[in-house]
Amino acid sequence: TQLLEQSPQFLSIQEGENLTVYCNSSSVFSSLQWYRQEPGEGPVLLVTVVTGGEVKKLKRLTFQFGDARKDSSLHITAAQPGDTGLYLCAGARRGSQGNLIFGKGTKLSVKP
Amino acid sequence: DTAVSQTPKYLVTQMGNDKSIKCEQNLGHDTMYWYKQDSKKFLKIMFSYNNKELIINETVPNRFSPKSPDKAHLNLHINSLELGDSAVYFCASSQVERTQYFGPGTRLTVL
Repeated sequence: TQLLEQSPQFLSIQEGENLTVYCNSSSVFSSLQWYRQEPGEGPVLLVTVVTGGEVKKLKRLTFQFGDARKDSSLHITAAQPGDTGLYLCAGARRGSQGNLIFGKGTKLSVKP
Repeated sequence: DTAVSQTPKYLVTQMGNDKSIKCEQNLGHDTMYWYKQDSKKFLKIMFSYNNKELIINETVPNRFSPKSPDKAHLNLHINSLELGDSAVYFCASSQVERTQYFGPGTRLTVL
């Protein structure tokens, strides 16, 4: 059973377009993190959201945590070729010693 | 000044062999982790460890064993390697239940 459903799995868009990636679960998480991974490298943290309803912005990236802390979204405005990569959401449950449950990732390709 | 480092970067070996992957962090974190990323890029926790507690994902075969000589190192030893063990293995570290920092990964290929 996949605890974190991430969609879409693949996304290919033109430079300048907007996009949204979704991460959904039936479980409640104490925090949810978004990572970006480039080929041959480890995931790099973009943001952590901890409060239900929280919205965080990182330049052209907007992250939202659902009110019930079961889902999250990542919205990218005016995508650039440099945004190309694998985006991963990961949830942490309280008392789990920080063990993260990862979604299956969204492979984003932004064409110039 | 690398925060989390792993060696080797690439490991190619025959079925049945025993191998180790090393991980070191210089962040002063108290918790370290091992993840496995399969060919479909799915990342799955294998172990988490601090100096008090080892948490093992129940799906990990007992051929895999983490070994921590000290707080800054968590090595992964694998016995009797199988074809299905081929994957990229990532080490990570954090303060307990805080942001995790990942190493660059070790690509293991079992022939």
